[in-house]
Amino acid sequence: RKEVEQDPGPFNVPEGATVAFNCTYSNSASQSFFWYRQDCRKEPKLLMSVYSSGNEDGRFTAQLNRASQYISLLIRDSKLSDSATYLCVVYGTASKLTFGTGTRLQVTL
Amino acid sequence: NAGVTQTPKFQVLKTGQSMTLQCAQDMNHEYMSWYRQDPGMGLRLIHYSVGAGITDQGEVPNGYNVSRSTTEDFPLRLLSAAPSQTSVYFCASSLGRGEETQYFGPGTRLLVL
Repeated sequence: RKEVEQDPGPFNVPEGATVAFNCTYSNSASQSFFWYRQDCRKEPKLLMSVYSSGNEDGRFTAQLNRASQYISLLIRDSKLSDSATYLCVVYGTASKLTFGTGTRLQVTL
Repeated sequence: NAGVTQTPKFQVLKTGQSMTLQCAQDMNHEYMSWYRQDPGMGLRLIHYSVGAGITDQGEVPNGYNVSRSTTEDFPLRLLSAAPSQTSVYFCASSLGRGEETQYFGPGTRLLVL
């Protein structure tokens, strides 16, 4: 089993749609969780950290479920500019940062 | 403030050649790391450094060397290139270890023939 698993997609959604991505992790001792965004042929950039209580940043909402060991990212009112690959990232024991393979989102007119 | 810079952007090597990928940051970050990104595999840690003079191996260190003589620079050396090292290489820096925001450079695309 991979340490961090994501559905690779692609998710094809129209503008204005709401889309949700899930990510599961295997190490129950993991401490911190993040979503990074990576545009085609570009470097990853932090989108948002994920907190136990859930957190929101504009149209983006991140949730963490420690009991089930999954993280989610909800994007409301999708824009064309949201088209990218979204990487689930987990910081666990031994100071190790593990990246998921990413979920590709394509927002269309 | 340039952030994290990497050179070259693209490189083609023949099997057995050696080369150095350059990485520099101007944010005074102590922690720097090198990743490779391959299709379907996510980013994998090659080597990392928690400060000048200190380096350690990551998940896939074989075939690569690093050094950290200054806080700003963290070059990655390919000793004898192999086709399996064809990849996109990203350098990253952060204030601390993985719990801090990682700032990535633009990447180096390497093709080994």
